[in-house]
Amino acid sequence: GQQLNQSPQSMFIQEGEDVSMNCTSSSIFNTWLWYKQEPGEGPVLLIALYKAGELTSNGRLTAQFGITRKDSFLNISASIPSDVGIYFCAGLNAGNNRKLIWGLGTSLAVNP
Amino acid sequence: EAGVAQSPRYKIIEKRQSVAFWCNPISGHATLYWYQQILGQGPKLLIQFQNNGVVDDSQLPKDRFSAERLKGVDSTLKIQPAKLEDSAVYLCASSYNKLGQNTEAFFGQGTRLTVV
Repeated sequence: GQQLNQSPQSMFIQEGEDVSMNCTSSSIFNTWLWYKQEPGEGPVLLIALYKAGELTSNGRLTAQFGITRKDSFLNISASIPSDVGIYFCAGLNAGNNRKLIWGLGTSLAVNP
Repeated sequence: EAGVAQSPRYKIIEKRQSVAFWCNPISGHATLYWYQQILGQGPKLLIQFQNNGVVDDSQLPKDRFSAERLKGVDSTLKIQPAKLEDSAVYLCASSYNKLGQNTEAFFGQGTRLTVV
């Protein structure tokens, strides 16, 4: 099935650094969702985006819906050890509104 | 508001045995999803219900997997017989989605299945 291109695949950073990850698609999306998954838990929704160009923040997290509607990015500012986890993007294809398409995830490790 | 409830959290079975997972979605959520997540990968949709009807089961291995949501609320996913490659975390999610369109999906903690 279709998948989103999510990058980077993994990141290892120092506490306090900023983090940026992104997702791209070959087709137009009308919703972008960013999730975080910690070991042994289900994904937790961080940010939902519904309009091209939309920029939304949730604490130290900021996500944007790309103006081409084919990409989205997630930034984490001033990372802390509890940011460790796998971050997934997911989106709704404009041509098939009923099925979430998932990225393969970005694994984040933070060195205290 | 209570989240998505799943049980059991963990299950270990031998290959060729059967197993069932249970999910109770967030109250009022019309859409319920079952995902399979293999270690190191993103969630893979197995089946999506809108109320008690199936919207998408294109990736459900129907020779061994079945799911039902008889009253449009809680749901069960069954595997019979299990294979080694079925070892994964099975995630249930729900969304409000009254109009047949996806909105934000909220996940349960998952059931970790190990087939030996």
